[in-house]
Amino acid sequence: EDQVTQSPEALRLQEGESSSLNCSYTVSGLRGLFWYRQDPGKGPEFLFTLYSAGEEKEKERLKATLTKKESFLHITAPKPEDSATYLCAVHNQAGTALIFGKGTTLSVSS
Amino acid sequence: EAGVVQSPRYKIIEKKQPVAFWCNPISGHNTLYWYRQNLGQGPELLIRYENEEAVDDSQLPKDRFSAERLKGVDSTLKIQPAELGDSAVYLCASGRPPSNEQFFGPGTRLTVL
Repeated sequence: EDQVTQSPEALRLQEGESSSLNCSYTVSGLRGLFWYRQDPGKGPEFLFTLYSAGEEKEKERLKATLTKKESFLHITAPKPEDSATYLCAVHNQAGTALIFGKGTTLSVSS
Repeated sequence: EAGVVQSPRYKIIEKKQPVAFWCNPISGHNTLYWYRQNLGQGPELLIRYENEEAVDDSQLPKDRFSAERLKGVDSTLKIQPAELGDSAVYLCASGRPPSNEQFFGPGTRLTVL
């Protein structure tokens, strides 16, 4: 069964304190792993797509990496405006739908 | 480029009442998705359209939910009658193959009393 598990469920950081969010997945034939950011009361905002093990993508303070079984979202020197829920998703085996994890809620305090 | 538009943003109804949600995708995106997101969970797919054809509706509770996408652009998702367990955020997303990226609207928060 296609499945996505994110950890931790919640993460509290001080401004400037770097950390990583984990996304482990089980799917036959990865067709893409996606990271989204979701602010309260808003829809998910697309961040990254990763397709193959070893691939990395960066955007400002965020860097996403991918292995054969998991992905990490590294946050370097976070700021309070990085506070949000970060969702990870993979395409199902048929490639027709995204399977989402429950998300990691990040809180960054100044 | 305008994003995905959804309305209404909020809806409160009594159980057993009907409700409808509307979505206008990003211009040129022929794939449209409806997701449901319960509190503390990730979105779950309800139905996917390629142009005006529903190509995956396996997760849509067909006894009370229906959807349409006339002319392959706007879409409407309907619930009739609504139940307490239908309280959730209903998200619409669109995409344009061959890209796998999906772009989400702000969602409609439904509360069933």
